[in-house]
Amino acid sequence: AQTVTQSQPEMSVQEAETVTLSCTYDTSENNYYLFWYKQPPSRQMILVIRQEAYKQQNATENRFSVNFQKAAKSFSLKISDSQLGDTAMYFCALVWTGANNLFFGTGTRLTVIP
Amino acid sequence: ETGVTQSPTHLIKTRGQQVTLRCSSQSGHNTVSWYQQALGQGPQFIFQYYREEENGRGNFPPRFSGLQFPNYSSELNVNALELDDSALYLCASSFQYRGNTEAFFGQGTRLTVV
Repeated sequence: AQTVTQSQPEMSVQEAETVTLSCTYDTSENNYYLFWYKQPPSRQMILVIRQEAYKQQNATENRFSVNFQKAAKSFSLKISDSQLGDTAMYFCALVWTGANNLFFGTGTRLTVIP
Repeated sequence: ETGVTQSPTHLIKTRGQQVTLRCSSQSGHNTVSWYQQALGQGPQFIFQYYREEENGRGNFPPRFSGLQFPNYSSELNVNALELDDSALYLCASSFQYRGNTEAFFGQGTRLTVV
């Protein structure tokens, strides 16, 4: 079974500051992928960043980076230079290589304050 | 924009009725997954279609059914609607169903059952 836990229901950050969103997961699989998705008020789920579990190097995408700790089953998202457009729900998700569906956490609502 | 479109965007139905939600997948994608997102929760996997065949199902009763057409568009049908079926229904398309392929989401259909 796969589970994804996001323990921060809500967070806020000042514009231009840095914020870190937490995610822990549990899986018995060795080969899996982890994702962070952003869901703005428009409701469309947008992929922010992806991490392959077999890669030790943390993924980065512009202002977004992850801290992937495989042994601890932790996968946090760091947003640098926060912008007003970053205001959204953020979901951590997991899929193992042979599977066909994403397991999502309950989400963190991030508000960027001007 | 992801190229995945869902219709309608909002829908109100009465308990006991039936509903059909539609999803047009991104060009070149042969896999469609459906998710239910209750208020304040992360999306939950309903089922997936790959090349017109059901390719996995989550913990949802048989009154949730689906179809995928030769052009890879898809329908989600829910019979005997219950109040708890009120949720945002998300469709995601991808090329193949393996975990390493990115899923592109539509903007969802907000279903309210009264």
